[in-house]
Amino acid sequence: DAKTTQPPSMDCAEGRAANLPCNHSTISGNEYVYWYRQIHSQGPQYIIHGLKNNETNEMASLIITEDRKSSTLILPHATLRDTAVYYCIVALGGSQGNLIFGKGTKLSVKP
Amino acid sequence: DTEVTQTPKHLVMGMTNKKSLKCEQHMGHRAMYWYKQKAKKPPELMFVYSYEKLSINESVPSRFSPECPNSSLLNLHLHALQPEDSALYLCASSPGWNTEAFFGQGTRLTVV
Repeated sequence: DAKTTQPPSMDCAEGRAANLPCNHSTISGNEYVYWYRQIHSQGPQYIIHGLKNNETNEMASLIITEDRKSSTLILPHATLRDTAVYYCIVALGGSQGNLIFGKGTKLSVKP
Repeated sequence: DTEVTQTPKHLVMGMTNKKSLKCEQHMGHRAMYWYKQKAKKPPELMFVYSYEKLSINESVPSRFSPECPNSSLLNLHLHALQPEDSALYLCASSPGWNTEAFFGQGTRLTVV
């Protein structure tokens, strides 16, 4: 079973920041937080992952709370092409890390 | 090359047919995965291969038979499927030292 809880849907205005929350209160010390997204009819796409520290890459930022029980994915300037289902996944790293998808958040970016 | 290539893109098969889905990656990844995704549902993990050995089988019926002939290829052999097996079948690979997985675009399977 998925170990994360996400809101089923969110809206965001184009050009604004999209902040997608995720609760993972049972995360263990050696588990990472991964974010993927799936645009309609395509395969999921890796976005970012982290263990304890906040992370940033060219796509997004990941903010993990100090107790690691929740995190937020931030898309700084959402575009219409960011409309997708966003999945927050908790998994071990390396070859033991099997990605178990929860229901995700459907993000709709509106003009 | 950062792609995972799946063939065919679409497949229609009868319940008595035998068919195979193919997945290929040339990124040197040592972990490869099969997922099944029904409409409006998240992907469900089916199988995991790690270093060409089957490491996870998520209680998948035997009418689905995975095969990893080498480190670049992953097949899913299908036999005697049911209409409820109709779904998008996704293949993914990851380096093995992290779980940054690359997914293919999937094979849309319809069982008639």
